[in-house]
Amino acid sequence: DQQVKQNSPSLSVQEGRISILNCDYTNSMFDYFLWYKKYPAEGPTFLISISSIKDKNEDGRFTVFLNKSAKHLSLHIVPSQPGDSAVYFCAGAWGAQKLVFGQGTRLTINP
Amino acid sequence: GAVVSQHPSRVICKSGTSVKIECRSLDFQATTMFWYRQFPKQSLMLMATSNEGSKATYEQGVEKDKFLINHASLTLSTLTVTSAHPEDSSFYICSARDLGTVDLYFGPGTRLTVT
Repeated sequence: DQQVKQNSPSLSVQEGRISILNCDYTNSMFDYFLWYKKYPAEGPTFLISISSIKDKNEDGRFTVFLNKSAKHLSLHIVPSQPGDSAVYFCAGAWGAQKLVFGQGTRLTINP
Repeated sequence: GAVVSQHPSRVICKSGTSVKIECRSLDFQATTMFWYRQFPKQSLMLMATSNEGSKATYEQGVEKDKFLINHASLTLSTLTVTSAHPEDSSFYICSARDLGTVDLYFGPGTRLTVT
């Protein structure tokens, strides 16, 4: 049972444009969602999070939107930069305990 | 920000041998650490939750006798892959939860190759 799904394995975006990464979940118990960025052969680094009681959280170029009724969240990166090329994982968490990760989406920013 | 280290970063071992991977929180205390593995082009799969001073909690399908976890101090957790087989080859990542802030930080990962 895959509780967190990222249905797009890859995404290519032109530099300067908006990147939109999507994530769907099935577990209604999640009370927190997080996005991580991962370069090859490195551990994930935290990007941005959102509480389940909110619908939007913004941090610089990164904005996460949460639609609880649709069980969907998205990460917007604008403007996209070459250094944003990486694999992005969304994750759900409950009770401040373990995270459940999606499969990841490989984002490539083209110059 | 907080730093989590893993050692070694890469290890190659022969089938049947055991390998120990260390996860350290360098500037904070962590009562809880998590161990993940990632196969190529797949998600990070939680293997177990390591709690300082108590037994680890393993996820379904993870053999606790094969993947031994020890969390002897507030800054160190170890994962020992016993009697390693080629199918254990993977990227193992730990994360540590800051006792003070409850934030979660990830280590850089360990690439295990079993020949």
